[in-house]
Amino acid sequence: GEDVEQSLFLSVREGDSSVINCTYTDSSSTYLYWYKQEPGAGLQLLTYIFSNMDMKQDQRLTVLLNKKDKHLSLRIADTQTGDSAIYFCAEHSGGSYIPTFGRGTSLIVHP
Amino acid sequence: DTAVSQTPKYLVTQMGNDKSIKCEQNLGHDTMYWYKQDSKKFLKIMFSYNNKELIINETVPNRFSPKSPDKAHLNLHINSLELGDSAVYFCASSKGEQETQYFGPGTRLLVL
Repeated sequence: GEDVEQSLFLSVREGDSSVINCTYTDSSSTYLYWYKQEPGAGLQLLTYIFSNMDMKQDQRLTVLLNKKDKHLSLRIADTQTGDSAIYFCAEHSGGSYIPTFGRGTSLIVHP
Repeated sequence: DTAVSQTPKYLVTQMGNDKSIKCEQNLGHDTMYWYKQDSKKFLKIMFSYNNKELIINETVPNRFSPKSPDKAHLNLHINSLELGDSAVYFCASSKGEQETQYFGPGTRLLVL
């Protein structure tokens, strides 16, 4: 079945760039998402990318998609303490009603 | 102007009780969902409704019963609560099936 893998933790210094990686197995994925979950809060859709795109940039966020390797990454430039959260990667194939979520990467930003 | 809202935010109750969680979306979406997030943050789909009709019912005990009185609401009723039901329950909605989902803030359920 489909699988989405992420590393569990990432620690960065404030002001540095963060790169959160995700790999998936479903080659028919059409949409790929990044959600952010702050402590005690719900999931907030950060950005998404269609499978026919390689890159998407939105202010401090850059999403890179390597469809051949089934690898998705989220780069956060100038990481701030407010970026500390869990980041979920999710993929959605055209044939499925429900996206498959990774287990989330906890981003810890320290001064 | 909250897009997807859930009540209550926190719910602490005893084993064996029956409780309900409400969800409302004001986005005009046709499809709504319930997810369970366990202590390890794993998100698992429970139910999906499209235009008030059940389209997905994953392997969930029949103590869980969703109810959709209209397109904007999907409530979750849980009978005979068990310790293992303790989790965070998220409601979500999307414009249509297979489209981007927007999540509510979650309901933190603790069964004692």
